[in-house]
Amino acid sequence: QSVLTQPPSVSAAPGQKVTISCSGSNSNIGNNYVSWYQQLPGTAPKLLIYENNKRPSGIPDRFSGSKSGTSATLGITGLQTGDEADYYCGTWDSSMRGGVFGGGTKLTVL
Amino acid sequence: QVQLQESGPGLVKPSETLSLSCTVSGYSISSGSYWGWIRQPPGKGLEWIGNIYHSGDTYYSPSLKSRVTISVDTSKNQFSLKLRSVTAADAAVYYCARVSHPVIVTAPFDYWGQGTLVTVSS
Repeated sequence: QSVLTQPPSVSAAPGQKVTISCSGSNSNIGNNYVSWYQQLPGTAPKLLIYENNKRPSGIPDRFSGSKSGTSATLGITGLQTGDEADYYCGTWDSSMRGGVFGGGTKLTVL
Repeated sequence: QVQLQESGPGLVKPSETLSLSCTVSGYSISSGSYWGWIRQPPGKGLEWIGNIYHSGDTYYSPSLKSRVTISVDTSKNQFSLKLRSVTAADAAVYYCARVSHPVIVTAPFDYWGQGTLVTVSS
């Protein structure tokens, strides 16, 4: 059971937009920055979004992040087949004094 | 370019200690940043294990704290993970990673190793 809650799967057609939610609590999302990771099959996770809505160098602006209260959302526009991956949200939990991740969401581009 | 590489036995017997090392290249551990271990059981999600600073300051997952030790060897530019009394539930791909901020432990991981699969079996 993950501390952060994500939907197990989402799907959309190429070119469309999809959003992935991440729900937590005041001790984690509510008081800390959220990051998002993309994990392509058989590879290590890759940082996609940090500090709620910032993109590391090289990440296209098709990827966006937002946060409101104890929830965060990853948005992906102009979906491509290469976006098929597992997506994880992550943050720090101030009560646990440790990092926490969501359970992951599998994106299928139909 | 920062690179991380995990190393260690791919097979550990139940009740024994899992020991992994992470060798960092392209960046000096002594320069800053926390360094972390994350694991992923087959077909499951990511689980944070713990972080360490070059000074030795450590943070551990509460669920693993009683069995985990993370240490750092700045002379080798490596940090290590020991997980005692392993069971089948500890079988996973183990990743080492760098925290993106030079001093803030709560920042995300920006560089990851490729991961190493550890099986627990007699």
